[in-house]
Amino acid sequence: AQSVTQPDIHITVSEGASLELRCNYSYGATPYLFWYVQSPGQGLQLLLKYFSGDTLVQGIKGFEAEFKRSQSSFNLRKPSVHWSDAAEYFCAVADPVRDSWGKLQFGAGTQVVVTP
Amino acid sequence: SQTIHQWPATLVQPVGSPLSLECTVEGTSNPNLYWYRQAAGRGLQLLFYSVGIGQISSEVPQNLSASRPQDRQFILSSKKLLLSDSGFYLCAWSRTEAFFGQGTRLTVV
Repeated sequence: AQSVTQPDIHITVSEGASLELRCNYSYGATPYLFWYVQSPGQGLQLLLKYFSGDTLVQGIKGFEAEFKRSQSSFNLRKPSVHWSDAAEYFCAVADPVRDSWGKLQFGAGTQVVVTP
Repeated sequence: SQTIHQWPATLVQPVGSPLSLECTVEGTSNPNLYWYRQAAGRGLQLLFYSVGIGQISSEVPQNLSASRPQDRQFILSSKKLLLSDSGFYLCAWSRTEAFFGQGTRLTVV
């Protein structure tokens, strides 16, 4: 069965420290991969996406993600976290078929808390 | 630029009452449209999607229905709400990525 796993439900990080959020997927073929961020009570904002090509993807707000086919992973990183990065982060996949970009399967999310 | 509007932002409804949530998209034509639900402890789940007027696909069996009466309008409905319908409902449209609305917090009491 297809699945998206975010192993860490909750992460606490100090402001200025680095952050890495893990995402693993189980899919028949390499899916389209996305990371979204959700602030409390808000909708989702796209941080970055991977369809093909360079496996290191740069996104907004200083985030990047690396696609590793051998590990079926798409981990999100940020070198130095700001207090405003406190939010919930979702990894999502979509079937690699045209017009399926909005049909997303989400991981359970990782709640990030930033301490002073 | 494209924008997506979703209302109301919050809603408290009694069990057995009807529901109508509306979503509209501006600045694009013939978008693919989606309804997602975020229930406590269950993550985000795709409920419905639509590739055109009157074309609705349901992803999971449930107490809800969706309609698309106009190109950029997507409505989520229920005739009789259940307690289990409580959650955060998100509308989205897509091109090469999905753009989400601000969501509706529905509490069924």
